[in-house]
Amino acid sequence: AQSVTQLDSQVPVFEEAPVELRCNYSSSVSVYLFWYVQYPNQGLQLLLKYLSGSTLVKGINGFEAEFNKSQTSFHLRKPSVHISDTAEYFCAVSLLGNDYKLSFGAGTTVTVRA
Amino acid sequence: DTAVSQTPKYLVTQMGNDKSIKCEQNLGHDTMYWYKQDSKKFLKIMFSYNNKELIINETVPNRFSPKSPDKAHLNLHINSLELGDSAVYFCASSPPLGGQGYTFGSGTRLTVV
Repeated sequence: AQSVTQLDSQVPVFEEAPVELRCNYSSSVSVYLFWYVQYPNQGLQLLLKYLSGSTLVKGINGFEAEFNKSQTSFHLRKPSVHISDTAEYFCAVSLLGNDYKLSFGAGTTVTVRA
Repeated sequence: DTAVSQTPKYLVTQMGNDKSIKCEQNLGHDTMYWYKQDSKKFLKIMFSYNNKELIINETVPNRFSPKSPDKAHLNLHINSLELGDSAVYFCASSPPLGGQGYTFGSGTRLTVV
């Protein structure tokens, strides 16, 4: 079985500052990795995904994430945040070859202040 | 056009009632899901359906019964509602190729009083 740990429950950050959200996963087999964003009172939107290949993945809205197999991590970064990036961010994992169960981390609340 | 649509968006009901939430996707995906998001925003899978067949039932009480009349629809019926069922329920779908990620609906906020 796979599991995901998001190491920060809340991240306050000032506008135009960089942000990093940390995610570690656990699995005995290869995985697919995802980051989703949930804006207040909305559904989840896919930010980016890692399937294979280059370990640096670029997504929407200026976000990127780096897959590190040795550290079983998939941290999300943005060099300069906006007020509109205030949201809940979820890291998720599914097993290679078994995509019927996407397991989520507990989420990280990002609050961007002016 | 909405890709994954759920109705209703809000549902307030009394304990003991039976209610249904409907979900439809127009993406042509083969697989559909129900997730529950609790008050702490934790997301937990409830059911996975692939081409109308149940794939995953994640130890959900049998008061919850999903029904998939065709691969574009996955409805959730809940009997004898309890206070602890209050949550946001999300429907999602995904294509047959692995690793494409899920497309989520906007959620149904269920409040049991």
